[in-house]
Amino acid sequence: RKEVEQDPGPFNVPEGATVAFNCTYSNSASQSFFWYRQDCRKEPKLLMSVYSSGNEDGRFTAQLNRASQYISLLIRDSKLSDSATYLCVVNPGGGNKLTFGTGTQLKVEL
Amino acid sequence: GAGVSQSPRYKVAKRGQDVALRCDPISGHVSLFWYQQALGQGPEFLTYFQNEAQLDKSGLPSDRFFAERPEGSVSTLKIQRTQQEDSAVYLCASSLANPGLAKYNEQFFGPGTRLTVL
Repeated sequence: RKEVEQDPGPFNVPEGATVAFNCTYSNSASQSFFWYRQDCRKEPKLLMSVYSSGNEDGRFTAQLNRASQYISLLIRDSKLSDSATYLCVVNPGGGNKLTFGTGTQLKVEL
Repeated sequence: GAGVSQSPRYKVAKRGQDVALRCDPISGHVSLFWYQQALGQGPEFLTYFQNEAQLDKSGLPSDRFFAERPEGSVSTLKIQRTQQEDSAVYLCASSLANPGLAKYNEQFFGPGTRLTVL
C-alpha cells in the first residue's frame, strides 16, 4: 500500500464548478499535511497547509481527519487557471522529509 | 529575489555514463532536499542535508547515487553508470531553518533537471 494515495483523475469540470479531491495516508504518526500544486513541466509549489480544525484560503478549503487518516481539498468557483495537478503531501515526522501522493489532475474547461 | 536554481535543465545520457546535477539553493537556506519524480508520479524523497551534513539518504535507490554539499550551500547529485530506469526529473528543494526549530518550514523547489537515459 502506498503511503499517500490519491485518485489520479483527470477531473474535467466546467468553469465555476466546485470540485473536491481526497487523499488517504497510511502512517498514523504523520505530523504535518499539505496540498501542493504542480503545473505541467513545472516544479511543485505549496498551495496550503492542512490543519485539524480545517482551514480556508479564498476559494480553497482543506480538511484533515486524523481518525480516518484522510485529507481533502475543496475548490469553489473553479477558474481556468486552477488547471493543474494537485499533490497531497504528508510530513511523516522528523526532518521535514515530504511524502507525496501521485497527484490528482484537474482540468477546468469553458 | 532568486529562487532555487538547478543545472542543467535537461540532460541526455547514454546508458553507462556518469552525470552530475547541480542545485543552488536560496541563499541562507539551511536545509536542502533532493527528490526524484518519474513521469505521472509524485516526487519521491532521495536525500536531505542540513548545512553540509547529509542527515538522511534513505531514499537513494542504489549505491550509484551520491550527493554532496561540501560547503553547506551548492549541492551536487551524482549518478554513476546511468540506467534507463534513472530517467526522471530530479528536483532540488531548500528550506530556511533547522527542522528542529519549527514544526515545518516550507520547501521551495527548483525547476528540476530532466534526465533522459538512452
